[in-house]
Amino acid sequence: KQEVTQIPAALSVPEGENLVLNCSFTDSAIYNLQWFRQDPGKGLTSLLLIQSSQREQTSGRLNASLDKSSGRSTLYIAASQPGDSATYLCAVYTGGFKTIFGAGTRLFVKA
Amino acid sequence: DAMVIQNPRYQVTQFGKPVTLSCSQTLNHNVMYWYQQKSSQAPKLLFHYYDKDFNNEADTPDNFQSRRPNTFFCFLDIRSPGLGDAAMYLCATSRDMGGIYEKLFFGSGTQLSVL
Repeated sequence: KQEVTQIPAALSVPEGENLVLNCSFTDSAIYNLQWFRQDPGKGLTSLLLIQSSQREQTSGRLNASLDKSSGRSTLYIAASQPGDSATYLCAVYTGGFKTIFGAGTRLFVKA
Repeated sequence: DAMVIQNPRYQVTQFGKPVTLSCSQTLNHNVMYWYQQKSSQAPKLLFHYYDKDFNNEADTPDNFQSRRPNTFFCFLDIRSPGLGDAAMYLCATSRDMGGIYEKLFFGSGTQLSVL
């Protein structure tokens, strides 16, 4: 059974710091991995999608990597800003309409 | 501009009183999903529609049902809400049956409170 874990559950950093969020999954048989952002009381916004054959994807200050064989992904945020404060969730698509989510890392960027 | 729209944003219901949450999409996607997310937890898939084909997750309570009258609309019915059903309900879509390119698109969610 696929399980997705995100550590730490919460993270507080000063503005301007570069940071890495971690995601691990137990079964490497995935089609893709998505990173989402969720603001308090809101829905999920897709940030990046990495296909199973890819190693990384970049969008602006965000860079996501995928190591399928070890069951790990990281989301790198460069030069963090207070507006980056949110919960970041990773999710793996395993086929058959099943996307399995982690519980997220709550990020707080202090001004 | 919103592509997946959920109404209402907040819904308060009484214990045992049926409630319906709605979702519409302008993306013309084939697949629509309902997820339940409790505080600080991962979203949990309740069911999905692939076109008109309905699929219930094995552990989705019988209390939850869904309707998809056409491509663009999907409804979540909770027949007799209990206190444990208070959660954020998220509607999502994907273009087709998935693959390496498939992305999920989410609405803003409906926060359900049960009194």
